[in-house]
Amino acid sequence: SQKIEQNSEALNIQEGKTATLTCNYTNYSPAYLQWYRQDPGRGPVFLLLIRENEKEKRKERLKVTFDTTLKQSLFHITASQPADSATYLCALPYGGSQGNLIFGKGTKLSVKP
Amino acid sequence: DVKVTQSSRYLVKRTGEKVFLECVQDMDHENMFWYRQDPGLGLRLIYFSYDVKMKEKGDIPEGYSVSREKKERFSLILESASTNQTSMYLCASIHSATNEKLFFGSGTQLSVL
Repeated sequence: SQKIEQNSEALNIQEGKTATLTCNYTNYSPAYLQWYRQDPGRGPVFLLLIRENEKEKRKERLKVTFDTTLKQSLFHITASQPADSATYLCALPYGGSQGNLIFGKGTKLSVKP
Repeated sequence: DVKVTQSSRYLVKRTGEKVFLECVQDMDHENMFWYRQDPGLGLRLIYFSYDVKMKEKGDIPEGYSVSREKKERFSLILESASTNQTSMYLCASIHSATNEKLFFGSGTQLSVL
């Protein structure tokens, strides 16, 4: 079965630096991969989707890459701010799709002023 | 914006009680999901539904049931609550045509004593 791993439970960085979070999966390459942000006590909020035929996608200070050879996605936040502190989850479709997603356990990002 | 509303943010119940968690979405989405989220285990799918009166088991359905009598409402039922069902419960919905981005509710933190 598909497994998805976010290899850092926590990441601490200084304000203004670039945060890079990693998501690896083990089996088949999915048609797309998603990233979500979750604040404490809240539900996840969708950030970005990248498809298997896209190498890179950007949205404001966010950049996502998708390497189907390495079975890996990287999520970058440039010029990070304390307000970016949150848990970031990656997710892949599985089980015949129709919205079924398997989620990684998340990486908790802390941006210090 | 899509709104997914969960009826309670916090709930405290006793072992053996029957518990109802309600979820309503306002965007006419066909597909709805119930997840639970526990520290170190991430998000796990309990049940999902593609249509009214239709339900499918997710990865951890034991001890739970669901009801979808109307398209906008998806209820999670704990027939006889147990302490190991203490968790954050998250409802989500998605449009079946786009099938890409999940919209989550704010979650219900359930404590079973």
